[in-house]
Amino acid sequence: GDSVTQMEGPVTLSEEAFLTINCTYTATGYPSLFWYVQYPGEGLQLLLKATKADDKGSNKGFEATYRKETTSFHLEKGSVQVSDSAVYFCALSDPTQGGSEKLVFGKGTKLTVNP
Amino acid sequence: DAGITQSPRHKVTETGTPVTLRCHQTENHRYMYWYRQDPGHGLRLIHYSYGVKDTDKGEVSDGYSVSRSKTEDFLLTLESATSSQTSVYFCAIRGPGGDYEQYFGPGTRLTVT
Repeated sequence: GDSVTQMEGPVTLSEEAFLTINCTYTATGYPSLFWYVQYPGEGLQLLLKATKADDKGSNKGFEATYRKETTSFHLEKGSVQVSDSAVYFCALSDPTQGGSEKLVFGKGTKLTVNP
Repeated sequence: DAGITQSPRHKVTETGTPVTLRCHQTENHRYMYWYRQDPGHGLRLIHYSYGVKDTDKGEVSDGYSVSRSKTEDFLLTLESATSSQTSVYFCAIRGPGGDYEQYFGPGTRLTVT
């Protein structure tokens, strides 16, 4: 079945550092890909998405490019802030599996940014 | 803001008691979902609904049942709570566009003692 693998955390960075969180996926079809962010004590918020190969999703300085050849959707930000401290989840939805109703999530990566 | 509320937000209950969690949405979305979040597991789908009275199982449905008698409400019931069901429960709706993204409620923290 479909699956998402993202880098193990936790990740600790200093303010203004460059961030990469790796995400790779396995899917039999052509999934849509998502990054969600969860701040402490809150629900998940959609951060960005990409629906086809070579699409780049972006929001709040974060970017991720849908790479079909490497089945990856890595999250990047050029200069992190303390307020970016959160847990980040990579997810996919694969319509060809008859499961377009469902999202498959990675296990999450906790990011802590120190001043 | 997708207009999703969950109640209660926190609950402590004893093993063997029934528990019902409520998800309420205000924007007439067809698809609704229940997930549980546990450390090291990410989010796992329990049940979902694709319309009034139309529901299906997710990957961790054992011990849970759901009902949807109105578009706006999706109920999750633990018939006889166990300690393994201590978790944070999130409700979600599928957005109106064609990209299958979901929007989440604030969560319910359930502790079974």
